Amino acid sequence: ETGVTQSPTHLIKTRGQQVTLRCSSQSGHNTVSWYQQALGQGPQFIFQYYREEENGRGNFPPRFSGLQFPNYSSELNVNALELDDSALYLCASSLGGRGTQETQYFGPGTRLLVL
Amino acid sequence: QKEVEQDPGPLSVPEGAIVSLNCTYSNSAFQYFMWYRQYSRKGPELLMYTYSSGNKEDGRFTAQVDKSSKYISLFIRDSQPSDSATYLCASSSNTGKLIFGQGTTLQVKP
Repeated sequence: ETGVTQSPTHLIKTRGQQVTLRCSSQSGHNTVSWYQQALGQGPQFIFQYYREEENGRGNFPPRFSGLQFPNYSSELNVNALELDDSALYLCASSLGGRGTQETQYFGPGTRLLVL
Repeated sequence: QKEVEQDPGPLSVPEGAIVSLNCTYSNSAFQYFMWYRQYSRKGPELLMYTYSSGNKEDGRFTAQVDKSSKYISLFIRDSQPSDSATYLCASSSNTGKLIFGQGTTLQVKP
């Protein structure tokens, strides 16, 4: 076990709705990254937060947004859901700060289905 | 062209076989190379972490990185049915952003 937890485990939404996914990082890990993994594909980087500030973003539209809190928890919010947003959403926590590449420990993921 | 390319398989081998998994990458800035194992409906689990070129061994697992050819390999010796999973290679520069391959599905038959 990595000590990274995510909730909920599964979620079903309809197109156009909004969703919030939650992650609890390992204690002491200041960095959290979020990834989207479509079926049969590798994870794709959405964005990273370091000490509550965004620290890099992948090729995802602004309707994907995030928050990181001082208690090592974080959220991924997706507005105006589309069918293609159906995927496994993974968060990963690490010790590293800006300009570092520390080991990222993944949670079990939240499986989102958009109908 | 994807930055990290990986043959999705599936790859099926008998128990005890040596397994070779491979990836190629295109970004010369990549310095960090990882292999993750992902069981069905689970999150990725880190297997090997390598900085720059060279070999790294951990039990039955050996990771190799050849930066001159931009080639990443994972070898599994004495493969076991419990090794059946999807194996993901990942690379990164100093940004903290991991770029993953598509993943290779491995089945080890008893």
